[in-house]
Amino acid sequence: GAGVSQSPRYKVAKRGQDVALRCDPISGHVSLFWYQQALGQGPEFLTYFQNEAQLDKSGLPSDRFFAERPEGSVSTLKIQRTQQEDSAVYLCASRDSTGTGIAKNIQYFGAGTRLSVL
Amino acid sequence: GENVEQHPSTLSVQEGDSAVIKCTYSDSASNYFPWYKQELGKGPQLIIDIRSNVGEKKDQRIAVTLNKTAKHFSLHITETQPEDSAVYFCAAIYNFNKFYFGSGTKLNVKP
Repeated sequence: GAGVSQSPRYKVAKRGQDVALRCDPISGHVSLFWYQQALGQGPEFLTYFQNEAQLDKSGLPSDRFFAERPEGSVSTLKIQRTQQEDSAVYLCASRDSTGTGIAKNIQYFGAGTRLSVL
Repeated sequence: GENVEQHPSTLSVQEGDSAVIKCTYSDSASNYFPWYKQELGKGPQLIIDIRSNVGEKKDQRIAVTLNKTAKHFSLHITETQPEDSAVYFCAAIYNFNKFYFGSGTKLNVKP
């Protein structure tokens, strides 16, 4: 596809359930980012991959959050034992990071997955 | 880490008027400042950006200004149209890998 694709668009989980959120970046994009966006707030950084390497996971709120990108393309954000405070929109963004000029640094966002934990 | 504050949280203007959104940042090392527009049910979309070696940048009806000394930057939209209605986010970045976003401004352009 032409843009960043995220699935599912909506996810309802019971407290304590595990969830997995998928991100398909723009083809060929080297860098991939995950953000958490609470209602009425700006996105907050969770983690960053360059190819398959997770270079920064300082934003993950707890060890219940885990992200992977095993082949350097599709990424999955997993949340174990979900809690009500995990309810948010989870955004994925990808970036080319190659070539020259400022355009290589632009992050392109998906539409997000809205997670509701009951 | 970086702290970005954004004001106002909501802004209502009449079609054709100008809109200004302001952000301040705390880390003087930040050197890249993008602005994103987010429509309901969609992800943020970049509308304009500026690097720290530039004071102002324009693209048709939108412009961004940066004051490095005061550590603040602003988004200016002229001749607003109803389709400009959305939530706007500023961000400040140091190394292009970790974006710090403001809390957003909901712009409502009344026809």
